[in-house]
Amino acid sequence: DAGVIQSPRHEVTEMGQEVTLRCKPISGHDYLFWYRQTMMRGLELLIYFNNNVPIDDSGMPEDRFSAKMPNASFSTLKIQPSEPRDSAVYFCASSRTSGGETQYFGPGTRLLVL
Amino acid sequence: GQNIDQPTEMTATEGAIVQINCTYQTSGFNGLFWYQQHAGEAPTFLSYNVLDGLEEKGRFSSFLSRSKGYSYLLLKELQMKDSASYLCAVPASGGSYIPTFGRGTSLIVHP
Repeated sequence: DAGVIQSPRHEVTEMGQEVTLRCKPISGHDYLFWYRQTMMRGLELLIYFNNNVPIDDSGMPEDRFSAKMPNASFSTLKIQPSEPRDSAVYFCASSRTSGGETQYFGPGTRLLVL
Repeated sequence: GQNIDQPTEMTATEGAIVQINCTYQTSGFNGLFWYQQHAGEAPTFLSYNVLDGLEEKGRFSSFLSRSKGYSYLLLKELQMKDSASYLCAVPASGGSYIPTFGRGTSLIVHP
């Protein structure tokens, strides 16, 4: 299996622009997670999906952030409008089940908002 | 919710043994994960403990004491490539089991 795939790997944009991050989970995994990692706050869960349905989005920082999972093999995380404080590494991860199950992380998208 | 505490940074010498501690507070225990994250890369799974005791896996071992809310990761025969961040993660209780990650311990191995 190719593992979790994310694109783009790097994104540099200007404040106010829309940013869309993409993720393809491992086939057969029912759970998909979006994380944000910064030096200050560590690895934070933003939202997770079970069978394409958003279950908990309490980690989404504000309305500028939105996530979708239109099918089992694709998810997007969108930031509109972007702000410099959104600069971080965004990871997508998937797992077969949620409980006591290993999460497999994608390589991450390094986002820099100028 | 969960509260996880790990040292921020540790240093050790190549060939030595190092122990990375993690203490946690959770309303319901559903196991504890350790992940390794090299600089600029994604976290990768190392171990999962749900019962008390030591679990050995090659040079790496993980220990759990549920009564003390305590775990450690033991790395033996350290190699330079072990320089990385080590993240402790505890799944939530109440049915979701979604893990909360600690801030991670940055381990620097020097010659």
